[in-house]
Amino acid sequence: RKEVEQDPGPFNVPEGATVAFNCTYSNSASQSFFWYRQDCRKEPKLLMSVYSSGNEDGRFTAQLNRASQYISLLIRDSKLSDSATYLCVVNPRRSGNTPLVFGKGTRLSVIA
Amino acid sequence: DTGVSQDPRHKITKRGQNVTFRCDPISEHNRLYWYRQTLGQGPEFLTYFQNEAQLEKSRLLSDRFSAERPKGSFSTLEIQRTEQGDSAMYLCASSHNMPRGTQYFGPGTRLLVL
Repeated sequence: RKEVEQDPGPFNVPEGATVAFNCTYSNSASQSFFWYRQDCRKEPKLLMSVYSSGNEDGRFTAQLNRASQYISLLIRDSKLSDSATYLCVVNPRRSGNTPLVFGKGTRLSVIA
Repeated sequence: DTGVSQDPRHKITKRGQNVTFRCDPISEHNRLYWYRQTLGQGPEFLTYFQNEAQLEKSRLLSDRFSAERPKGSFSTLEIQRTEQGDSAMYLCASSHNMPRGTQYFGPGTRLLVL
């Protein structure tokens, strides 16, 4: 089983739609969780950290379910500029701030 | 620009040649990471440093790969006797040494081995 698994998509949605991405991780000792965004041929950029209580940043909401080892990202009111690959990222170590483990990414295309 | 920088941005080489990439982290960051990304995959960890000390190397880092961070600032990644399978994007990231320290990525060096 891969350490971090995501549906690769692509997800093709119209502008204004709500879209949700899911991710599972295998290491129950994992401590830190993130969503990174990667545009075509660019570097990954942190979108948001994911906390146990869930967190929201504008149109983006991230949730963590430790019991199910499941992370989600919800994007509301999709914009054309949201088109990108969304990488689910886990830090599997207790000490934190150590090498990250990335999923393969989920590709999103928002269509006018 | 105070972000992570990498040089060169693109490199085309012939199989068997040696290549070296450079990464300049954000100046106050003492942790520096190298990752490799191939098409359709997420980045995969190669090695990382705290200051000048190389703390860990992944199994992906064959003996043809070597990384250094001699003064705890910039880092170099060298690949000797390149193979076509080395073609990938090589990403560098840096962070503070603190729990949940965010890793910031450079633009990457795209390597093509012919």
